[in-house]
Amino acid sequence: KNQVEQSPQSLIILEGKNCTLQCNYTVSPFSNLRWYKQDTGRGPVSLTIMTFSENTKSNGRYTATLDADTKQSSLHITASQLSDSASYICVVSDNAGNNRKLIWGLGTSLAVNP
Amino acid sequence: DTGVSQNPRHKITKRGQNVTFRCDPISEHNRLYWYRQTLGQGPEFLTYFQNEAQLEKSRLLSDRFSAERPKGSFSTLEIQRTEQGDSAMYLCASSQTSAGTNTQYFGPGTRLTVL
Repeated sequence: KNQVEQSPQSLIILEGKNCTLQCNYTVSPFSNLRWYKQDTGRGPVSLTIMTFSENTKSNGRYTATLDADTKQSSLHITASQLSDSASYICVVSDNAGNNRKLIWGLGTSLAVNP
Repeated sequence: DTGVSQNPRHKITKRGQNVTFRCDPISEHNRLYWYRQTLGQGPEFLTYFQNEAQLEKSRLLSDRFSAERPKGSFSTLEIQRTEQGDSAMYLCASSQTSAGTNTQYFGPGTRLTVL
């Protein structure tokens, strides 16, 4: 069964600190992996997308890594800001070019405190 | 603002009433998706359009749900005879199939509460 699991379920950090969120998946065949940020009451916003051949991709203070062999991905947030408080969702596509086949993780809820 | 827009942002209705939501995608995007999201869960796929053609409907989309995209631009999602279990956030997303990775851009959602 295609699954995406994320850890931790929730995380609280102090402003300015770094953190790393984890995503493990069993989706096959694998097409691409995305990280979305979702603020409470808002739609998800794409942060990064990686295909099979990409190991790392950065978007400002967000850096995502992908190990397609172990089927693991991480999202590292550097120098956290209060506005980083949100749910971070890992999404895996199992069908190249057919993006309705998205398998969503349940997300990690991040709270950045002053 | 040239992103995906959805209206209304919030809707409160009584059980048994019909509701209709609207989604305006990014103008050059040919694909439009509808999702439903409940608290603490990821979005669940409902249906998607390529231009005006509805190419797939999830089993979650019961016969009380209908979606249209008559001119290949905006889309509407109608729920007839609403039930309390329909209470959720309804998200719309759009994408452009010629843009490589076909990233979906989401709207702010319509939060439906059925009393």
